[in-house]
Amino acid sequence: DVKVTQSSRYLVKRTGEKVFLECVQDMDHENMFWYRQDPGLGLRLIYFSYDVKMKEKGDIPEGYSVSREKKERFSLILESASTNQTSMYLCASSTGTSGRGVEADTQYFGPGTRLTVL
Amino acid sequence: AQSVTQLGSHVSVSEGALVLLRCNYSSSVPPYLFWYVQYPNQGLQLLLKYTTGATLVKGINGFEAEFKKSETSFHLTKPSAHMSDAAEYFCAVSPSGGYQKVTFGTGTKLQVIP
Repeated sequence: DVKVTQSSRYLVKRTGEKVFLECVQDMDHENMFWYRQDPGLGLRLIYFSYDVKMKEKGDIPEGYSVSREKKERFSLILESASTNQTSMYLCASSTGTSGRGVEADTQYFGPGTRLTVL
Repeated sequence: AQSVTQLGSHVSVSEGALVLLRCNYSSSVPPYLFWYVQYPNQGLQLLLKYTTGATLVKGINGFEAEFKKSETSFHLTKPSAHMSDAAEYFCAVSPSGGYQKVTFGTGTKLQVIP
């Protein structure tokens, strides 16, 4: 079974704090993703990584950064948390064999971290 | 550009009744289409996906969806609802390529009434 784990299920932080959300996958997947999920908005991609130390901005990268130092771990960083970053954060991973894409691969999601910024 | 519209943010059905969750998409290229399910306090799980070939796609837990190009629709159905089907369901669309190009709908919460 593919496992994508996230370091915390619930997190409460104060405005201005630096926040780290950690994600680990155990299937040697090349691709990892960070989304935020808000009611009525669905999932929106924050950042995507296709290899160690490689990243691409998603649809809503403002206020976030990421780090991927090891293949299995992808971290989302809120440099200075704000109340509008209160949300559910979902990590995901997928294989990235060249030329395959969504047709052949499957994306696996972690259980999510519900972050509240006060 | 691509987009997904899920009709109805909340749907209620009686246990044993037909489940129908509606999804319409727009895409400038032949799309890949997905349905995901999210149970309370869990991540998303793939129910089924359409890539090419047969337009009726069968997924897990008895769900299926039919790709109708002329109607730009990909509605999700299940003949008989179970209490365990209560969850939020997301439709998604993608052009070819990787999952970073997937656009998700806003979700439909399914309530199953005993």
